[in-house]
Amino acid sequence: GPKVLQIPSHQIIDMGQMVTLNCDPVSNHLYFYWYKQILGQQMEFLVNFYNGKVMEKSKLFKDQFSVERPDGSYFTLKIQPTALEDSAVYFCASSRTGGAAEQFFGPGTRLTVL
Amino acid sequence: AQSVTQPDARVTVSEGASLQLRCKYSYSGTPYLFWYVQYPRQGLQLLLKYYSGDPVVQGVNGFEAEFIKSNSSFHLRKASVHWSDSAVYFCAVSGVQQGTGSKLSFGKGAKLTVSP
Repeated sequence: GPKVLQIPSHQIIDMGQMVTLNCDPVSNHLYFYWYKQILGQQMEFLVNFYNGKVMEKSKLFKDQFSVERPDGSYFTLKIQPTALEDSAVYFCASSRTGGAAEQFFGPGTRLTVL
Repeated sequence: AQSVTQPDARVTVSEGASLQLRCKYSYSGTPYLFWYVQYPRQGLQLLLKYYSGDPVVQGVNGFEAEFIKSNSSFHLRKASVHWSDSAVYFCAVSGVQQGTGSKLSFGKGAKLTVSP
């Protein structure tokens, strides 16, 4: 079936540095999402994105977070600066339409902030 | 607010036995309910979804789930499990926001181990 790719699979950085997580969504999908899962906890919604704009974000989507998809390339999540509590697995997802359409998920990027 | 509770974090069943993974949700409006499965080093894959109509929905690989509104539940079932069903299973709920993508709320997941 359609696949979402995430690059890298694991990233280790020092607190205060900037990190960019990359997502290659399904090619004809228009809606994009990021979710965050801290070890042992539920996966939680961060943000969704459509037509170049953030449509909805949760309280976890701090000011240090930003998303973009320049020119139909990767859908990225940037954290600048990073904090220790940003350590988690970040999952990207995409869907062809909005509403309750099926979201296709990537395998996740494990971010470790030291 | 929307939330999902999966009370069984780890489940072990013998191959060929039946399976039920429990899910209870909280959502004030009309819920859209999903079960996803995650195999090691892969993304979540949709097993089945419920929007409306027949409360028993069929999914892939012989899985089914029943929506019971009075109990706010959406338990996943399979009549006979196979070793390849070993994975982590997530229940999720969403509402529909006009003009936006959906926002899934997940349970903590249930790790299923099928023993020979």
